[in-house]
Amino acid sequence: ETGVTQTPRHLVMGMTNKKSLKCEQHLGHNAMYWYKQSAKKPLELMFVYNFKEQTENNSVPSRFSPECPNSSHLFLHLHTLQPEDSALYLCASSQNGGVGTQYFGPGTRLLVL
Amino acid sequence: DQQVKQNSPSLSVQEGRISILNCDYTNSMFDYFLWYKKYPAEGPTFLISISSIKDKNEDGRFTVFLNKSAKHLSLHIVPSQPGDSAVYFCAAGGARGGADGLTFGKGTHLIIQP
Repeated sequence: ETGVTQTPRHLVMGMTNKKSLKCEQHLGHNAMYWYKQSAKKPLELMFVYNFKEQTENNSVPSRFSPECPNSSHLFLHLHTLQPEDSALYLCASSQNGGVGTQYFGPGTRLLVL
Repeated sequence: DQQVKQNSPSLSVQEGRISILNCDYTNSMFDYFLWYKKYPAEGPTFLISISSIKDKNEDGRFTVFLNKSAKHLSLHIVPSQPGDSAVYFCAAGGARGGADGLTFGKGTHLIIQP
């Protein structure tokens, strides 16, 4: 497996459900990111992890909870989401301290009913 | 308030001609700029980048130009090919080369006409 992978690719959940999105990078990077892309909006940065430490939380509601157990894995735990949280969630990774080019996974398309 | 703006939601270009995609930014702290390409059902793919110390960077058919005084960058694709049809995102990062996260524009949908 190469690059950045995300599972699941598609997810439908109710507002009372709890689910998790998973991201794995096979590039030897040590910074990982969560972005959200809503319809007709630019990609919005949600969270940044450098060397497993969260260094950025871009005013994201607490119903989104990230977890970075090691530099290769990143999770986004979801609970009591709202329909407006329906979006494409993208994970990216980069070599911290380098030129900062971020490499993206294919995304998880989330629908909250 | 959008800090990175791509004012053309779509652009149609004939195959073989030059495609020029434009991007404007407002934050003078941005130090590093990137272009990504995105096909439906896939994540953005990195295309080309430029740091603020340069005004041009070239990679094959792709050239990015940066005009810092105008806070404007553009992506030139020449010659345009059918496989270039995709959404192109302009992105900008701060002094750490974007390592703290990138700010994206809304994207321009490029359509290459045969």
